[in-house]
Amino acid sequence: EIVLTQSPGTLSLSPGERATLSCRASQSVSSSYLAWYQQKPGQAPRLLIYGASSRATGIPDRFSGSGSGTDFTLTISRLEPEDFAVYYCQQYGGSPPYTFGQGTKLEIK
Amino acid sequence: EVQLVESGGGLVQPGGSLRLSCAASGFTFSTYDMHWVRQVTGKGLEWVSAIDTAGKTYYPDSVKGRFTISRENAKNSLYLQMNSLRAGDTAVYYCAREVFYGDWYFDLWGRGTLVTVSS
Repeated sequence: EIVLTQSPGTLSLSPGERATLSCRASQSVSSSYLAWYQQKPGQAPRLLIYGASSRATGIPDRFSGSGSGTDFTLTISRLEPEDFAVYYCQQYGGSPPYTFGQGTKLEIK
Repeated sequence: EVQLVESGGGLVQPGGSLRLSCAASGFTFSTYDMHWVRQVTGKGLEWVSAIDTAGKTYYPDSVKGRFTISRENAKNSLYLQMNSLRAGDTAVYYCAREVFYGDWYFDLWGRGTLVTVSS
C-alpha cells in the first residue's frame, strides 16, 4: 500500500502570501494518478488538481501543482481569504487501496 | 444538474447494520466507476469501497467482510450495506465519481451522510 505523507500539518499564512504544500509518497506514483482536493468546513472535498499539474474546471490559476515520482507540490501563488481550508492529496497506484494523505490545514495567520 | 445525493445515515447500535444510498443525476451513471469515502469528524479522508462499471468491487482491509458496495444502474443509484458496525465506523460517508481517462481522479462528490455508531 502506498502511503502519502503531507507536510506541514498546519500552515499559517496571511492573505496575499504564497503557500507551498507537500505530498510525499512511500513509493513512486504516476503523475497521471495524483490529485489534490480542497475541503472547507461542512463541505465535501472539491477537486483542485489532477494529473499532478492540471487544474480542474473552474479552479483559479493561482493554484498550481507540480512534481513527479514520490514528491508532489501544491502551490497557491497569492492567497485569497477563501483559500483557507484543508488540502488533501490522493493517489491511485494501479490497484486499491486509493489512499489519501492526512491533509494540510491552511489557516489564517 | 450533475450531482450525487447521499441518504440513509443515522444512529445505529454497535453490531448493527445500515444501508446507505447515493442517488446520481445529470450524467450517465452506468458508465462511471463509483466510490464511498468516509471522514471521521475532524480527521482525514478514508477510502471505503469502490465498484466498477462491470460490478467488480474493492475494499480496504478495515471494512472487508463487513461492508458491501453495490449499484443499480436502472435507478442511477449506489449503495453501501454496512454490517457489524463499530464505534470506529462513525463518520460522514461520501459517494464520489471516478474519472479514469488518461488521468485518474474523483471529480464529483456528494454532500455526505452522517453515520453514528453508539449505544
